[in-house]
Amino acid sequence: ILNVEQSPQSLHVQEGDSTNFTCSFPSSNFYALHWYRWETAKSPEALFVMTLNGDEKKKGRISATLNTKEGYSYLYIKGSQPEDSATYLCAFMGRDDKIIFGKGTRLHILP
Amino acid sequence: DGGITQSPKYLFRKEGQNVTLSCEQNLNHDAMYWYRQDPGQGLRLIYYSQIVNDFQKGDIAEGYSVSREKKESFPLTVTSAQKNPTAFYLCASSIVSGRGYNEQFFGPGTRLTVL
Repeated sequence: ILNVEQSPQSLHVQEGDSTNFTCSFPSSNFYALHWYRWETAKSPEALFVMTLNGDEKKKGRISATLNTKEGYSYLYIKGSQPEDSATYLCAFMGRDDKIIFGKGTRLHILP
Repeated sequence: DGGITQSPKYLFRKEGQNVTLSCEQNLNHDAMYWYRQDPGQGLRLIYYSQIVNDFQKGDIAEGYSVSREKKESFPLTVTSAQKNPTAFYLCASSIVSGRGYNEQFFGPGTRLTVL
C-alpha cells in the first residue's frame, strides 16, 4: 500500500524561531512532489513542485529539499511569523498518475 | 479574476438522495480533480479528468460519478450508493503538460452533510 507520511502531525513554534518538518513518500514510481500551504478558511495554495533528486527550492523564508532515492522531503521555515500558521500538505505524484496526499503538518506560531 | 469556484459552500441532503457538487474554473486548465477530506485523513482522489469528455477513477471512486462536457466544468455527483458521503469535497485544476509536474489550484470546497 502506497503511503505518504508527514511528521510531526502538529507543531507549536515561537514567533521568530525556525522550524522544519518532514514528508516521507514511496521511493519507487516517483514523478513529482508537491508542497501546499492550507490556511484556515482558505483554499490550499502551492508552495513548491519538486521533481529532481537533490532539488532545493526557496520562496522567501520557506525552502524545501528533496531526496527521491530515500523518499523524503523537508520543508523549512526560517524566522516564523504569525502568517505562517497553516497546515502544510505534501503530495506524491506517481508515474502512473497516482496522487497521494499526506495528512499534513499543522503549524501554530505562538506570539 | 481567474480562479476556481465551488458551490455551494455547505450542502445538506437526506440519506438516499443523489447530490451534485459544482466546480467551475476560468483558468483555461485542461486537468481537473475531485478530492475528499475526512477528519484525520489526507486528501483522497475521487476522480480526475485531463481532457474534455474523458475522466479516470481515483482511489475512492465508488459511489461517485462525474462528467466533463466542458473544459470549465467538472461536476461531481454523490450517489446514494456512496456509503459515507458526509465529508469536505475539494475541486482542483492544473495545466496538463508534464502531468504531476504542475501545481494544482484548489477551490474553496463544499462541506456535504447527509442526514
